[in-house]
Amino acid sequence: NAGVTQTPKFQVLKTGQSMTLQCAQDMNHEYMSWYRQDPGMGLRLIHYSVGAGITDQGEVPNGYNVSRSTTEDFPLRLLSAAPSQTSVYFCASSYGTDIGNTIYFGEGSWLTVV
Amino acid sequence: LAKTTQPISMDSYEGQEVNITCSHNNIATNDYITWYQQFPSQGPRFIIQGYKTKVTNEVASLFIPADRKSSTLSLPRVSLSDTAVYYCLVGDMDSGAGSYQLTFGKGTKLSVIP
Repeated sequence: NAGVTQTPKFQVLKTGQSMTLQCAQDMNHEYMSWYRQDPGMGLRLIHYSVGAGITDQGEVPNGYNVSRSTTEDFPLRLLSAAPSQTSVYFCASSYGTDIGNTIYFGEGSWLTVV
Repeated sequence: LAKTTQPISMDSYEGQEVNITCSHNNIATNDYITWYQQFPSQGPRFIIQGYKTKVTNEVASLFIPADRKSSTLSLPRVSLSDTAVYYCLVGDMDSGAGSYQLTFGKGTKLSVIP
C-alpha cells in the first residue's frame, strides 16, 4: 500500500494563479483532511471530509476549496493564490474519527507564492 | 479554538526519561487521546493512543488520570533521534452537524542534548 500520496512535493506560484494539490489514499479511509503548517506553528485544519460527497470547513478555510467525488481522492484547490498561503500542506486520512482511529499523513507539499 | 494545551518546548539530555503533559479539559466521553511525532520536513506519525489509565508500547507510555482532563506522554531514555515536535490530539465534536473535527495543539518541541 502507498498510504497517503500528495503531489506536487514542491510548487512555486505567482500571486493570483490557481492550482490544485492532489491527495490520494489507498486504505479505503472515510475521513480525509487538509492541514497547513506555517513556521513555528502547529497544524491548522483547512477542510475535511467524512465521506464521499461530504466536505466541511476547518479552522482556516478561506481561499481554499475542496471536493470529495471518490473515497480515494481529496484535492485542495487554491483559487487565487496569495503570499499568505505560502506554507507546507499536509493531507491526512483515517478510517474514522470517533473511536480513536489513527491518522495517516502524507509527506507534505511545500508551496511558495511570490 | 484550541482544545489542548502543551508546553511549547522542552530540553532533555540523552538517556533521560522525558514526560510531556497535555491538558484537555473539554474532552468528550467518546474521545481517545492520541500523540503524534513530527520530524522536520515530514508529516506527523502516530506514537501512542489511549482512553484511560496507562498504555505502553515499544516507543512510549501514556498515562491518563481518572478524570481524563490531562495526559502525560513518557519517553524512556531519549536519544538524539527523538528530537521532534510532539502533538497531543483529542477528538472534537462539531456542535452543529454532529461531525468530527480533529484539532491539533501547537505541539511541544523536544530537543535532546548530547
